[in-house]
Amino acid sequence: ETGVTQSPTHLIKTRGQQVTLRCSSQSGHNTVSWYQQALGQGPQFIFQYYREEENGRGNFPPRFSGLQFPNYSSELNVNALELDDSALYLCASSREQGVNTEAFFGQGTRLTVV
Amino acid sequence: GEDVEQSLFLSVREGDSSVINCTYTDSSSTYLYWYKQEPGAGLQLLTYIFSNMDMKQDQRLTVLLNKKDKHLSLRIADTQTGDSAIYFCYNAGNNRKLIWGLGTSLAVNP
Repeated sequence: ETGVTQSPTHLIKTRGQQVTLRCSSQSGHNTVSWYQQALGQGPQFIFQYYREEENGRGNFPPRFSGLQFPNYSSELNVNALELDDSALYLCASSREQGVNTEAFFGQGTRLTVV
Repeated sequence: GEDVEQSLFLSVREGDSSVINCTYTDSSSTYLYWYKQEPGAGLQLLTYIFSNMDMKQDQRLTVLLNKKDKHLSLRIADTQTGDSAIYFCYNAGNNRKLIWGLGTSLAVNP
């Protein structure tokens, strides 16, 4: 058990809809990173939040947005869902931002867009 | 090219040793990690090595690091069917984007 929990575990949405995924970080961790993992691919970095502010972003369009709360839990919001957004969304928490720190991952949210 | 490269597939017989290799380009990391991902699940931290070490042993796992060649390997002794998974090496370095490779899919045959 990593102490990182994600909800929901599975979700089916229709193209054009909006979705919110949630992640609670491990106790003592102030940094949360979000990844998208398509089938057969490695995780792709979406963005990272450190102490409630976005702290780096990958090559994802603005319809991917996020939040981090004072307790360091986080949300990933995706607007105007597209079929290609179907993937496993992983959240990872770490003690400090960016580099040289191990990341503990949740089990992921499997999003299917139909 | 990719910051992290791994061979995509490895197949071994139960009881044999498995060796999963990884090459990377960014040598600024203090730590390099191995993660395991079972089908449909999240990533599980397996082990890591400090960048000034050449080798680390952790039960059935041995991590070897060749900093000169930027090569990292994970050896699993006495491989079991429960070891079947995808293995990712992870090198944070100074790249905030935290690039991951495609992973190595390990199949263990009885």
